[in-house]
Amino acid sequence: GNSVTQMEGPVTLSEEAFLTINCTYTATGYPSLFWYVQYPGEGLQLLLKATKADDKGSNKGFEATYRKETTSFHLEKGSVQVSDSAVYFCALSDIGYSTLTFGKGTMLLVSP
Amino acid sequence: GAVVSQHPSRVICKSGTSVKIECRSLDFQATTMFWYRQFPKQSLMLMATSNEGSKATYEQGVEKDKFLINHASLTLSTLTVTSAHPEDSSFYICSANPQDLNYGYTFGSGTRLTVV
Repeated sequence: GNSVTQMEGPVTLSEEAFLTINCTYTATGYPSLFWYVQYPGEGLQLLLKATKADDKGSNKGFEATYRKETTSFHLEKGSVQVSDSAVYFCALSDIGYSTLTFGKGTMLLVSP
Repeated sequence: GAVVSQHPSRVICKSGTSVKIECRSLDFQATTMFWYRQFPKQSLMLMATSNEGSKATYEQGVEKDKFLINHASLTLSTLTVTSAHPEDSSFYICSANPQDLNYGYTFGSGTRLTVV
């Protein structure tokens, strides 16, 4: 079956620090990969996605590259802001986009 | 585009009563919607897949008689928590897939249910 493993948090950083949140996956097929962000008290928003190997998804300064050889989709940002404080979920969907499989989420806390 | 609206955002109810949560796709048709429950420490649990015009598919361990799902139209799915108890207090989130890679899966803003 499909599964997603992401690093446990919370990740605590100072403003302008470099961010990496690791995500690895197991899938029987050739999945699409997503990062979602959840701000306090809200639902999930799509942050970025990648649908095939070596694709790089990017949005709002965040990037992640679909690495089939290492089954990874690590999230990075060069300089975080306080407003980036949120929970980040790595997820995959298999062919046909039936359902999403989520990681457990990583809380990011950015201090001024 | 690809907006999912979820209501109410917060609800407080007494033990033993029922609560209905609505999930609407505003600008696309959704033959399938998904209902999640979010536990403390953020982990998301898929509860069920709601199918328009047919019965929902529940995940293992989810009581179908307690969590009633109705998907009567292509733009509306409802989750009713019946005979609610304090342990049902949680954050419930719905989702739909617009079948457009530009949007991925789209989520509602969630409903915070508190049973007192």
